[in-house]
Order: sequence, then structure tokens, then C-alpha cells
Amino acid sequence: QVQLRESGPGLGKPSETLSLTCSVSGDSVSSRSYYWGWIRQPPGKGLEWIGFMYYSGSTLYNPSLESRVTISVDESKNQFSLKVTSVTAADTALYYCARLNGPGHYFDSWGQGTLVTVSS
Amino acid sequence: QSALTQPASVSGSPGQSITISCAGTSRDLGTYNLVSWYQHHPGKAPKLIIYEVIKRPSGVSDRFSGSKSGNTASLTISGLQAEDGADYYCWSYVGSNTWVFGGGTTLTVL
Repeated sequence: QVQLRESGPGLGKPSETLSLTCSVSGDSVSSRSYYWGWIRQPPGKGLEWIGFMYYSGSTLYNPSLESRVTISVDESKNQFSLKVTSVTAADTALYYCARLNGPGHYFDSWGQGTLVTVSS
Repeated sequence: QSALTQPASVSGSPGQSITISCAGTSRDLGTYNLVSWYQHHPGKAPKLIIYEVIKRPSGVSDRFSGSKSGNTASLTISGLQAEDGADYYCWSYVGSNTWVFGGGTTLTVL
């Protein structure tokens, strides 16, 4: 049974870079069957896809966020990470990491989420 | 960017059936059979309940079913139970290496 767990600072300042990590157990981030992704939910709003990456290092991002986000993998730690640059209050959200089934394009496992607040 | 449109809220009484729609266009839902549905109780991880339009993951109640007609996908919940009260989201590939969530629907079990 795959498990994902998000970690990272819960508070950031405007204009800084937000960094989060997703630790994976029960599967390998090097798996050829899955993509590994990030989704967020601002307070009171719906889910928003941020992006995902494949074991090869190839990435796909939401066009609305592409200029500010980077997803990378650390195979040695079986983790993948998210960086969001130049954050504003609009980046305040509950951030989830998840595993995407490649052929079917669906998220079959999710982390519990981690709240990030951007405030001066 | 493509958008998937869901009703903001639906409601039903225990035992009844409800349907949540997810409307796209001929370029996205009308082209791809890659719609999935997620149940989200606040404070918990979202849960996959339908994938590839009609398929149900192991362990998900058969009270949940999915369908698609033209450019609109639908999630039907039959025999409503109190614990079905949650937010529901559709998700789909919409072409050009882009994926999108619907805006979400809050289900209230009366």
C-alpha cells in the first residue's frame, strides 16, 4: 500500500520561495507506471492541479503556474519536491502530493496535505 | 485554458439518488475518456471513486457510478447515506498536455 507524506515550512513570506517535499513509501518514485504530482486547495476554494513529473525527470505543469513552479525528484531518498517562487498571499493553500496512474490519468493515492500560509 | 463546470451544490435525502455533472467541450470531455471523480471530506485526503469515466476502484461502494454523454460526465450516488456528504471533484485530461479539476460540488445529505 503506497503512502505519501508532505512536509515543509507552514509559513512563508511574500516574494520568497516555497519548498515542499513528499516522502513516498510502499512504491518507488522511479516506477515507470506512475507520475508523481502536486495539487493545492486555497482556503474556501477547489482543487488546483500544479504539476507532475515522471521518473525520467520529465515534467508537466499547469500553464497558469508554469513560470513559478519546479518539481524534482530525489531517487536516493524516494522523495519528490515542489518549489514555488515569488509567492504571494494567493499561494496560501493546503498542498497535497499524489500518485498519478499514467495510462489512466487518475490520482490513485494522496497524502494528507500540508497547509502553507504566505504572510508578512 | 479549458474549464470543467460542476454545480456548486446538490442535496438529497438518505436513500435517494443524486447526480453530479461535469461539463466540458467537444475538445476535451467529448474527445477523451479520462474523467475521474474524487470524494473529499475536509481535513482528509481526497479519495478516488471513479476512473476512466465508468470504472470503480476496488473497495469503493457500488452505490457510486460514472457515465458520460457527449461533452458531459456524470457521477451518480444511489442510496444516499449520511457519510456521502462531502465535496466531489471531476478531473480530466483536456489535451495539449493539460489536465484540470472541475470547480467542485458540495453534496449535502439532508
